[in-house]
Amino acid sequence: GAVVSQHPSRVICKSGTSVKIECRSLDFQATTMFWYRQFPKQSLMLMATSNEGSKATYEQGVEKDKFLINHASLTLSTLTVTSAHPEDSSFYICSARARNLETQYFGPGTRLLVL
Amino acid sequence: AQSVAQPEDQVNVAEGNPLTVKCTYSVSGNPYLFWYVQYPNRGLQFLLKYITGDNLVKGSYGFEAEFNKSQTSFHLKKPSALVSDSALYFCAVRDGDNYGQNFVFGPGTRLSVLP
Repeated sequence: GAVVSQHPSRVICKSGTSVKIECRSLDFQATTMFWYRQFPKQSLMLMATSNEGSKATYEQGVEKDKFLINHASLTLSTLTVTSAHPEDSSFYICSARARNLETQYFGPGTRLLVL
Repeated sequence: AQSVAQPEDQVNVAEGNPLTVKCTYSVSGNPYLFWYVQYPNRGLQFLLKYITGDNLVKGSYGFEAEFNKSQTSFHLKKPSALVSDSALYFCAVRDGDNYGQNFVFGPGTRLSVLP
């Protein structure tokens, strides 16, 4: 199956700093990328959807100025958590889908801990 | 609107016994159905999907799922469970008539296979 990578896998930062998470589709062109957040023992919550070259579409309740998403190419999307606070600590998972594929493929996730 | 239900939070099964993880769905259009597995602190791994064709779909690691249109179900099954199958399982649905529609995930079912 298609491979999606995420970097970093784990990050610890101080409150008030910004953190960037990269998501790459390694062997296919991802026309659409998704960012999810997962709380412990819960399902995935879709944060935003981004199409290459256009602005991301954010789900209700997700602050677009806090969670900046850039989908600059068909293989790379980034999520920047700006001015992170402890309540932003979570497991962030990206997913990618190609135009000719029905399946979404997921990255391994990034564990963010804000102190 | 789309929705997915996984009626069991937890399923326990003895190693070597058959396992079933239940999923029912609701979608206005043509259902595209997926199963993913998540191991601790990892992203989601694709197991199998139903798009069209045979109602019995075979996937990775010996898993299979049966699409039942009349019961709007897509239960995940395996004839003989392994301890290594212990993980969190997510069912997802997308409206196949609307490419732009996002996945909707179920709440997840934790499978424990006891040695």
